[in-house]
Amino acid sequence: DGGITQSPKYLFRKEGQNVTLSCEQNLNHDAMYWYRQDPGQGLRLIYYSQIVNDFQKGDIAEGYSVSREKKESFPLTVTSAQKNPTAFYLCASSIGGRDQPQHFGDGTRLSIL
Amino acid sequence: AQSVTQLDSHVSVSEGTPVLLRCNYSSSYSPSLFWYVQHPNKGLQLLLKYTSAATLVKGINGFEAEFKKSETSFHLTKPSAHMSDAAEYFCVVRRNNDMRFGAGTRLTVKP
Repeated sequence: DGGITQSPKYLFRKEGQNVTLSCEQNLNHDAMYWYRQDPGQGLRLIYYSQIVNDFQKGDIAEGYSVSREKKESFPLTVTSAQKNPTAFYLCASSIGGRDQPQHFGDGTRLSIL
Repeated sequence: AQSVTQLDSHVSVSEGTPVLLRCNYSSSYSPSLFWYVQHPNKGLQLLLKYTSAATLVKGINGFEAEFKKSETSFHLTKPSAHMSDAAEYFCVVRRNNDMRFGAGTRLTVKP
């Protein structure tokens, strides 16, 4: 089955530590996205990538970094500069174009130790 | 600029009764509109989308939504709620890579 795989499902970070969240898709989608979800706030865009080796900041990119070396992979690093990283992180992909819906992974829940 | 307002943070219905989840949008362009459902600790699943074709859009699991340009609304409905419909629902407006999510409506279904 085609889909988006996020790992790990749960992740814990110590103070001052960088952590990387994995997102892999086998849908052959060009565009990939990272969102942060906090209770009562919907989803907010962190970064997105429309093609390999290119990505753009979203609304809340500070304290995060990404790479897009392969079409199927779009890892997100939560750096120590992100002071409030506790949240549910969702990865999505789409074919591209304004009418296309996004397909979502099942998320990674990040907590601070 | 685009924005989405989901008018109810929480809706509670009895099983077998109709469901109405309200969404108003603001967009300078002709937008694409979507409804997604999210079950606990899961990703979002697409229910339906509007892309300037028919104004009444049918989706999965018996849901449908009507696009009303004059009211800038895209409300989600279902004639008869099922226990499995209990979840969080998100209305989304999209133009190219500018996607705006509503804050969500939590639907509770009572037996």
